[in-house]
Order: sequence, then C-alpha cells, then structure tokens
Amino acid sequence: DAGITQSPRHKVTETGTPVTLRCHQTENHRYMYWYRQDPGHGLRLIHYSYGVKDTDKGEVSDGYSVSRSKTEDFLLTLESATSSQTSVYFCAISDVAGERGETQYFGPGTRLLVL
Amino acid sequence: AQTVTQSQPEMSVQEAETVTLSCTYDTSESDYYLFWYKQPPSRQMILVIRQEAYKQQNATENRFSVNFQKAAKSFSLKISDSQLGDAAMYFCAYRATSGTYKYIFGTGTRLKVLA
Repeated sequence: DAGITQSPRHKVTETGTPVTLRCHQTENHRYMYWYRQDPGHGLRLIHYSYGVKDTDKGEVSDGYSVSRSKTEDFLLTLESATSSQTSVYFCAISDVAGERGETQYFGPGTRLLVL
Repeated sequence: AQTVTQSQPEMSVQEAETVTLSCTYDTSESDYYLFWYKQPPSRQMILVIRQEAYKQQNATENRFSVNFQKAAKSFSLKISDSQLGDAAMYFCAYRATSGTYKYIFGTGTRLKVLA
C-alpha cells in the first residue's frame, strides 16, 4: 500500500471556523490531490499540486485553499467552513508517467461534519 | 472537456456469477489511461485495474478484466466468479498522458453481491 496518511480522520466543527486537513506521503511522489466525495457526485477535484509551492484549482475550489511547502505534505484549508462543505475528503498522490507512476493512490479519507 | 459516465448507479450479482459494469468516456486525446477503483464500506479507494489506451490488449487482474473499445470510448469491467467481498462502489477514471495531470472520475456503480 502507498504510504499516505490523512489527519484528522474525523472532525466536527462549527460554521464559520477555519479548518485545516493534512495529507502526508512517504512515497516522494510529485503530484498530490485533494478530492471531496459526496453521494451522487463521485469524486470531485478541489485542488492539486504538481510540485513544491506549485498548485492549481480543480472543479470545486471555491472556499478552499491549499499549500505545499514540502514534497511530503499537502494541506487543505477551509477558510470559513460552511454546511455545504460537510463531506468526505480524500488525498491522493501520483508520480511521473511510467513504471505505473501515472496510477493514483489514495489516503484513507477524512470525514468532516460542519454544524 | 473530458467526461466519464457510469450509467448504472446500482447493480446486483449472485455469488459465483459474472457481472459487467459499464463506463463510457469522452475525450479528444489519442493517448490516455483508464482505471477502475473499488471502494468498499471502509471507504478506502483501491485500484482494481488500469489500461493504457495505446495497448490494444485488454487488461486482466485475476478475476477482473476489462473490455476496452477505444473507438466506442467504452471501458467496461467484468468481474468473474463474484465473491461477497466484491460488494463495493466501483469508480471508473480517466487521465490523459500529457498536459494536465488531473483525473476525471465517474459517479460510481454500487455493486451488491447476493449469497
């Protein structure tokens, strides 16, 4: 299994508070991603990173920011949490193509409830 | 823009029987990767099988095989000798080989295995 951890695994917070989710990898993979999973929508990309300090928006980036100061860590911040951001959040990694590097591997997920 | 469609929200199969999950995609690219992921109740996303578009031979992994029809833009997953542990959500995913490193996911098919 790819070495990907997410913290926290579960979080309950209140509307309007900032929340930061952490993704940590031990694979030295170049690319990292944050997705949210909601019923009927599958996985939707929030932000992704293609290198240290290099990030780009996905299809549902409003209300989220990210940072990557080290290869192994990718942080997702909800600047002011809203109930619509209640979801399961997945981190994923992939590497340069070849030797199965283009395959994406996932962390265990973080369940976030915004009250 | 690329899209991935899974038109079967839910399917059932009798234990030991064979089932096929459908996936279609839309792209103007000539080279890309396709994936099937399994998500059991634990929520962990597990790679089932991958296919490189330039390879005409269909990928197989033990009881799992794909029927890749490039002209029809179809990528179905066949599960043979279904087992209770195969019960899960199955997601089809696409990634181009060049340019963006984004992955596009379908909305998933829930597979039930009946004893």
